Amino acid sequence: QIQLVESGGGVVQPGRSLRLSCAVSGFTFSTYGMHWVRQAPGQGLEWVARLSNDGSYKYYVDSVKGRFTISRDNSKNTLFLQMNSLRPEDTALYYCAKEVGATSGGYYFDHWGQGTQVTVSS
Amino acid sequence: DIQMTQSPSTLSASVGDRVTITCRASQSISDWLAWYQHKPGKAPKLLIYKASSLEYGVPPRFSGSGSGTEFTLTISSLQPDDFATYHCQQYNSFSPIFGGGTKVEIK
Repeated sequence: QIQLVESGGGVVQPGRSLRLSCAVSGFTFSTYGMHWVRQAPGQGLEWVARLSNDGSYKYYVDSVKGRFTISRDNSKNTLFLQMNSLRPEDTALYYCAKEVGATSGGYYFDHWGQGTQVTVSS
Repeated sequence: DIQMTQSPSTLSASVGDRVTITCRASQSISDWLAWYQHKPGKAPKLLIYKASSLEYGVPPRFSGSGSGTEFTLTISSLQPDDFATYHCQQYNSFSPIFGGGTKVEIK
């Protein structure tokens, strides 16, 4: 049974940092690219970042470039999101998701975690 | 960037109703579209991929159709477990883009 469990969320002041983790089980983690997706209050889902299976290729939505860093530890089956210089607009529920690649070059997600809440407020 | 627009944003329906949700893309995405069901406090669940392919284990009352710029998710007979928010997502281009979501409420 595939499981993804996020942790590390919390309440933080603007400008501070937070590190999210996503512990996975039930599949060969090192075989798959992984993503972070967020949902701000009252908003739809927003893709945040993608990391290739071996950690070589990283991609980010423009709004987090230079502030967020996605990484992984394949020996521990864990995905991370280091979030620096946090802004109030980063307030959201953050999900990790396992990708399914398509010949279009895009990705959809066949398994998700339940999310961890990040609130940025003074 | 491709924009994805879902309608309606909220839908009130009764158990047994046939429900249709629409997702429109700002440009053609062929059939590179997925649908997810999302309940509060739970992980989003993949229902449909490639516009009309049913994910393993998803009840056949769910179906997807469309190509190009217009897509629909249909629930043939709404069940109590189906009250949730539904999201479409394009994967024609590298950056996944989601629609704004459709909340299906009890009438």
